[in-house]
Amino acid sequence: GAGVSQSPSNKVTEKGKDVELRCDPISGHTALYWYRQSLGQGLEFLIYFQGNSAPDKSGLPSDRFSAERTGGSVSTLTIQRTQQEDSAVYLCASSLERLYPQHFGDGTRLSIL
Amino acid sequence: AQTVTQSQPEMSVQEAETVTLSCTYDTSESNYYLFWYKQPPSRQMILVIRQEAYKQQNATENRFSVNFQKAAKSFSLKISDSQLGDTAMYFCAFMKFQGAQKLVFGQGTRLTINP
Repeated sequence: GAGVSQSPSNKVTEKGKDVELRCDPISGHTALYWYRQSLGQGLEFLIYFQGNSAPDKSGLPSDRFSAERTGGSVSTLTIQRTQQEDSAVYLCASSLERLYPQHFGDGTRLSIL
Repeated sequence: AQTVTQSQPEMSVQEAETVTLSCTYDTSESNYYLFWYKQPPSRQMILVIRQEAYKQQNATENRFSVNFQKAAKSFSLKISDSQLGDTAMYFCAFMKFQGAQKLVFGQGTRLTINP
């Protein structure tokens, strides 16, 4: 069975551009999470989706960040007007249900020039 | 808020030796989960072991075991008979049982197994 799939693997863009990062969770997993991993801040929670419930957006660092999950499956993390401090690895994880172990993808390395 | 502290930024041991990675955490929760994740250079976070706080018995997965001291809020990982493939960043993580299902990570320990 396939694991969590993230695309693109690497993304280089200019400051001020918008970017979209995609996550395909493990089939049947109801919970989906986004984390950010950077040298200065370590691993930080961004957002959590559980089934049809309203997402927990408490970790989003600014209103330039948004995410959606369509049909309870694929999720897209969008960063508008990118800044250099947005450079990081963005990790997606999914779990069968809440309280189950989270399985991570390989991440997207985002570099802002 | 919960915090997780890993006091060893880097460790290095010889193959076949036993190594222990330290982790302490701070929380007012009574029920929670603790995890150790491994991140090799491939970037993928791999779950190594999970401990439920309400279970007194320490979790074990093959060569990996934990020493969970709830009163001391300590959660160390012991790797026995270390192998070259154990070389990776190791992250300790905390998750509340109730409420937000987010993992709170420590800063990580870079472990190198030398031949």
